[in-house]
Amino acid sequence: GAVVSQHPSWVICKSGTSVKIECRSLDFQATTMFWYRQFPKQSLMLMATSNEGSKATYEQGVEKDKFLINHASLTLSTLTVTSAHPEDSSFYICSALDRGRNGANVLTFGAGSRLTVL
Amino acid sequence: QQQVKQSPQSLIVQKGGISIINCAYENTAFDYFPWYQQFPGKGPALLIAIRPDVSEKKEGRFTISFNKSAKQFSLHIMDSQPGDSATYFCPSTGNQFYFGTGTSLTVIP
Repeated sequence: GAVVSQHPSWVICKSGTSVKIECRSLDFQATTMFWYRQFPKQSLMLMATSNEGSKATYEQGVEKDKFLINHASLTLSTLTVTSAHPEDSSFYICSALDRGRNGANVLTFGAGSRLTVL
Repeated sequence: QQQVKQSPQSLIVQKGGISIINCAYENTAFDYFPWYQQFPGKGPALLIAIRPDVSEKKEGRFTISFNKSAKQFSLHIMDSQPGDSATYFCPSTGNQFYFGTGTSLTVIP
C-alpha cells in the first residue's frame, strides 16, 4: 500500500531558529500533499495544500511567511517553520493524495512530527 | 465549507461492546466517504470508506453505514477491543481534506 514517510518524528529547537520537516511518498507519486497541525486532544487543522511545481495554497489565518512549503518533486514536500517560537510547538502531520482503494482518491498520512520550541 | 456534527466527542465502551460514532451533515453530496483512525502520537490512517450509493459496508468488526434521510454516516465497531482505543475522524466537507472534531474512543478491558 501507499506509504508516506515524514522526518523528523520529533525535534526540539531554540526560539528564533528555523526547522524543516520532510514528507516523502515512498511508492507513489504525489502531485498534491497536505500539511496539518494538531494540538493535544484536538482535530486536524489543515494548514496548506501543496501542489508539485507550484506555490502552496494556504488556509485562512496561516502565515505563509512563517510556514514555508516547498513541493519541488512528485515525491517530496517540505514544511519549514521559520523563526520558530514556543507558540509554534505542535504536532505537524503531512498527507499525500493517492488513488487508493476502489479507485478513489484517499489521503495517506505521515507519522507526524512533534515540534517543541524552547 | 459545510458543517459536520461528529458525535459523541468521547466514548467509553467495555471490551466486547459496540462503539457507535456518527457524523451528520447539511447535505451529503459526497462521492467518497472515509473514516480515519488515529492512535496517540501517530498520524491518522484510513480505516474504512464508503460511496454514498452504497448504504452499508463491512470490513471485519468495522461497519460504515449511510442514512440518507438523516443525512448521517455512522461507524460501528463490533466486539470493541482495547486496541481500538483511538481517535476517529470523519471529513467535514465533501472533499475530505478537512476533518470533524474527532471522537476519542476508550475501550476498557
